[in-house]
Amino acid sequence: GQQVMQIPQYQHVQEGEDFTTYCNSSTTLSNIQWYKQRPGGHPVFLIQLVKSGEVKKQKRLTFQFGEAKKNSSLHITATQTTDVGTYFCAGRGETSGSRLTFGEGTQLTVNP
Amino acid sequence: NAGVTQTPKFRILKIGQSMTLQCTQDMNHNYMYWYRQDPGMGLKLIYYSVGAGITDKGEVPNGYNVSRSTTEDFPLRLELAAPSQTSVYFCASSYFTGFNQPQHFGDGTRLSIL
Repeated sequence: GQQVMQIPQYQHVQEGEDFTTYCNSSTTLSNIQWYKQRPGGHPVFLIQLVKSGEVKKQKRLTFQFGEAKKNSSLHITATQTTDVGTYFCAGRGETSGSRLTFGEGTQLTVNP
Repeated sequence: NAGVTQTPKFRILKIGQSMTLQCTQDMNHNYMYWYRQDPGMGLKLIYYSVGAGITDKGEVPNGYNVSRSTTEDFPLRLELAAPSQTSVYFCASSYFTGFNQPQHFGDGTRLSIL
């Protein structure tokens, strides 16, 4: 079945440093979503990417979808303590009936 | 607008007991989902439903049952609880075409089986 892998599993940064998490799929994706989960909270939808090579920005967050639609990344510029949490990617395969498969997430801690 | 509401928030069960986790949404979403999240892990899909009366298995359905009698409600039933079912359970919902739409999650039910 489809597998979605995320690296790194953990990332510790100083406030103001940049952060990037990478998501790789074993199969070509039709779409990829990103979610953020604060400690003790529930996942919250951030964005969806659909097109090959797509780049979307939300303030300090930049999301990219690879040209082959098998990988994606989330980059945060100048992290803040409010960025703390676990970031998940979730990809859906191209074949009919494919469901969303979540990666295991990257847990980000930010030292003030 | 409450969104997705899950009850209870916490529960401790003994091995072999049964219980139902409740989930209701007021967004008129036709797709609903149940996930489990083990510590430090991602979300695994247990069951999902594309509308009232229709349910389908996800990645990890064994030991669980669901029903969808209304658009709003999607309860998850655990029969004969086992320690391996200790987890945080999230219910979610989404519009129309489901897996290419944003999913809206409830606050979760933290379940321990001892």
